[in-house]
This record gives sequence, C-alpha cells and structure tokens, in this order.
Amino acid sequence: EAEVAQSPRYKITEKSQAVAFWCDPISGHATLYWYRQILGQGPELLVQFQDESVVDDSQLPKDRFSAERLKGVDSTLKIQPAELGDSAMYLCASSSVDYNSYNEQFFGPGTRLTVL
Amino acid sequence: AQSVTQLDSQVPVFEEAPVELRCNYSSSVSVYLFWYVQYPNQGLQLLLKYLSGSTLVESINGFEAEFNKSQTSFHLRKPSVHISDTAEYFCAVSDQETSGSRLTFGEGTQLTVNP
Repeated sequence: EAEVAQSPRYKITEKSQAVAFWCDPISGHATLYWYRQILGQGPELLVQFQDESVVDDSQLPKDRFSAERLKGVDSTLKIQPAELGDSAMYLCASSSVDYNSYNEQFFGPGTRLTVL
Repeated sequence: AQSVTQLDSQVPVFEEAPVELRCNYSSSVSVYLFWYVQYPNQGLQLLLKYLSGSTLVESINGFEAEFNKSQTSFHLRKPSVHISDTAEYFCAVSDQETSGSRLTFGEGTQLTVNP
C-alpha cells in the first residue's frame, strides 16, 4: 500500500541551528501539505503545494521557515534558526486532485523535533 | 474560516464501557467532517468521514459518528471500547467549496481505556 514517507523520524537540535525535514508523497499526488502539531494541540497547516507552486502559506513564519517542492514531487521544510518554541511534530500529507469530488489527505508518520 | 471545538481534553473509561467524544464546529460555508486517530509518536489515521448522504457514518472497528447540522456537531461514539482504543482522537473539518482545502483540527481528546 502506498504511503507518505518522512525523514528523519526524530530530530534533536540546539536553538539557533538549522534543521530540515523531508517528505515524499504518495506517487501521483499533486497536493502536498505540511502541518505542525505542538504537543497537546491539533495540527495546523503551515504550507500547501499544488505541484511545485505554493497555494497557501499564510500560517508559515516566513522569517525562519521555508518550504520547497522544486520538481512537484518530494518536499523539504527548513527552519533557520530554530527556536525553543519550534519543538513539535511536523506532519506531511498528500492528496490527489479531483475538482469534482473530495480528495482524502493521507498523512506520513511525522518528524518529532526537539529544540534544546 | 472554520473552527473546531472538542469539548473534552481527556476521557477515561473502563474497558467494554460505552464512550462519546464530543465535537462542535463553526463555519460560514458547508464542510466535510472527519475523525482522525493518533497513536503515540505516529501520524494521523482517518477513522471516519462525513461527505454527504446519511448523517450516520461508521468505521470498520465499531466507531460511529453522527452529523447534526442544526447543532453543528459531529460526536464520535463506540458502544464498547477496548484497551487498544487508547489514543488521541481529533475532529476536523474542511471547506467543501475549495478543492484540496486545508483540514482544520480541534485540540484533540485523549481517550484512555482502563482494564
């Protein structure tokens, strides 16, 4: 069964360092989402791609976060510099595109980031 | 914009007891409704969804949820829980009118099933 892949699964870093997370969506899925889930809260969307284009990054802290999906397939989310408040689970999801029906989002296992 | 309120942050129950996890939502447009389950240090798994049609939807492992439009609720129920149901449960909505729209999640309810 096709799955969304994410790496690393766990990352520990010190504040002010740079970190990067990688996501490989299900093959053929044009839409890719990055969510952040702070401990004890529900996930919140950071950025959404349609192919290689950003369609929603209204909640992305652009002073320190960046995301790219250069070839419209896999994606990288970067934080530089990391702050203590960035400690969270970072979830990637993907979906197909059908404008006539609902497109289910499939989630990867997540990357747990701890900033010390 | 949409918002989701899960009324209970923690629900402890005994094995084989019934359980209800409550979810209310607010939206200016029609929405799809979802329940997701998350086990420790794992991603989200879709438990069930309401897209249209019958307001009562069921999962393969005995959970059900009922969409109540007048009360803007989508409560999750199970008549008899198992230890393995212990997990965090998230209610979520997405905008019906925008293809591929984001999911808006509630804060989650930790269900703990005790022997």
